[in-house]
Amino acid sequence: ERVMTQSPVTLSLSPGERATLSCRASQSISSNLAWYQQKPGQALRLLMYDASTRATGVPARFSGSGSGTEFTLTISSLESEDFAVYYCQQYDNWRPFTFGQGTKLEIK
Amino acid sequence: EVQLVESGGGLVQPGRSLRISCAASGFTFDDHAMHWVRQAPGRGLEWVSGIGWNSANIAYADSVKGRFTISRDNAKNSLYLQMNSLRTEDTALYYCAKDLSPTLTGGTFESWGQGTLVTVSS
Repeated sequence: ERVMTQSPVTLSLSPGERATLSCRASQSISSNLAWYQQKPGQALRLLMYDASTRATGVPARFSGSGSGTEFTLTISSLESEDFAVYYCQQYDNWRPFTFGQGTKLEIK
Repeated sequence: EVQLVESGGGLVQPGRSLRISCAASGFTFDDHAMHWVRQAPGRGLEWVSGIGWNSANIAYADSVKGRFTISRDNAKNSLYLQMNSLRTEDTALYYCAKDLSPTLTGGTFESWGQGTLVTVSS
């Protein structure tokens, strides 16, 4: 099983600041990584797949990078609606698909 | 607009069974693999099971293998999860998710429902 580890657990920033979220895989997953956003009362939203491809409708301030075992989700300038929990997920190995434990992005 | 609407959750005693459903609309259902993902209260996401577009390929997490059965009815645009021998640790919000790919091995969850809550307690 590929174990996914996200850091930090909580990130406290202000609107307008840059956010950098990290995700590490226990072994290489190539670029088979997705990022999701979760807000209370809303459906989970796919942000990024193939490590760096933005999903439909995702603003350009979101970008993804990395390959192998180290990945980053960057939000260039935080807006109020970006404060949420973010999960990474690997799909390199479907036995099973695994998620990171999440990073909570909160308003400072 | 893609819509995934889960139903069938509720309170059930340990050892009993429950079947949850997901009604899909707004897309060609049999063009996509489908999955169940769960989230225990205050916890992260756990993939539970997935099924390819034509039901030929199915997979389960080890935690549910032998107890849960995933199925789909493409004529009804519906996904199901039959859960038997339920345990307290199965308590979670169960989400239905649409894969970008038609095959089980795709694994990118493009759209999600709001979830149905399953509580296993005596």
